[in-house]
Amino acid sequence: SQKIEQNSEALNIQEGKTATLTCNYTNYSPAYLQWYRQDPGRGPVFLLLIRENEKEKRKERLKVTFDTTLKQSLFHITASQPADSATYLCALGQGGKLIFGQGTELSVKP
Amino acid sequence: NAGVTQTPKFQVLKTGQSMTLQCAQDMNHNSMYWYRQDPGMGLRLIYYSASEGTTDKGEVPNGYNVSRLNKREFSLRLESAAPSQTSVYFCAISDQGEYTEAFFGQGTRLTVV
Repeated sequence: SQKIEQNSEALNIQEGKTATLTCNYTNYSPAYLQWYRQDPGRGPVFLLLIRENEKEKRKERLKVTFDTTLKQSLFHITASQPADSATYLCALGQGGKLIFGQGTELSVKP
Repeated sequence: NAGVTQTPKFQVLKTGQSMTLQCAQDMNHNSMYWYRQDPGMGLRLIYYSASEGTTDKGEVPNGYNVSRLNKREFSLRLESAAPSQTSVYFCAISDQGEYTEAFFGQGTRLTVV
C-alpha cells in the first residue's frame, strides 16, 4: 500500500542546533516533494519544493534533500530558534495531487 | 488580497444535520482542494478540482459532496453529518501544472455531536 511516514515522535532540540526531519514514502513515484510549516490553529504554509531530478535545495537556514532511490527526503533547519517551533509536513506531488505525511512537531528550547 | 477564505471558522452540528463549507479564492488559480486534518493523521485529501467544471475523489470522499461553482469557489457539503466527520477542514489552491505550491485557508473546525 502507499504510505508517507514522518518522524512519529516530536522532536525536541536546543536553540542553535540543527534540526533534521525525515520523510519516507513507499509505492509512490513523486514528481516533486514539498515541505510546509503549520502553526497551531493555522493552515500549512509552503516552505520549499524539490524536484525528482534535484538532490538538494537550500533557502536561508533551510535545506532539503531528496533521494529517490532511498525514497526519502530530509529537511534540515540550521541554527534553530524558538520561533522555528511548529509542525512540519512533507507532501508528495503526483498526478496533480498533493499527498501529505502526518507531520512532525518540532520544539526548539532556548 | 485575502488569498483563500473559508467560512465558517467554527461549526457545531448534530448527527444527521447537513451543512456546506465554503471556500473562495482571489488568486485566480485553477486547482482547488478540500482536506481534513485529524490528530496523528496528517492532511487527507477529500476531493479536488483541477479546473472549473471538474471534480475528482481523493483519499476519503465518503460522506461528502463537492461543487466547483466557478473558478473562484469550491464548496464541500456534508449531507448527513456523523461524529466521525468531526475534524478540521482545510481548503487549498494551487496553480495548474506540476511544481506549484499550495496555498491554504485558515481552516474550519467542525464538531459533530
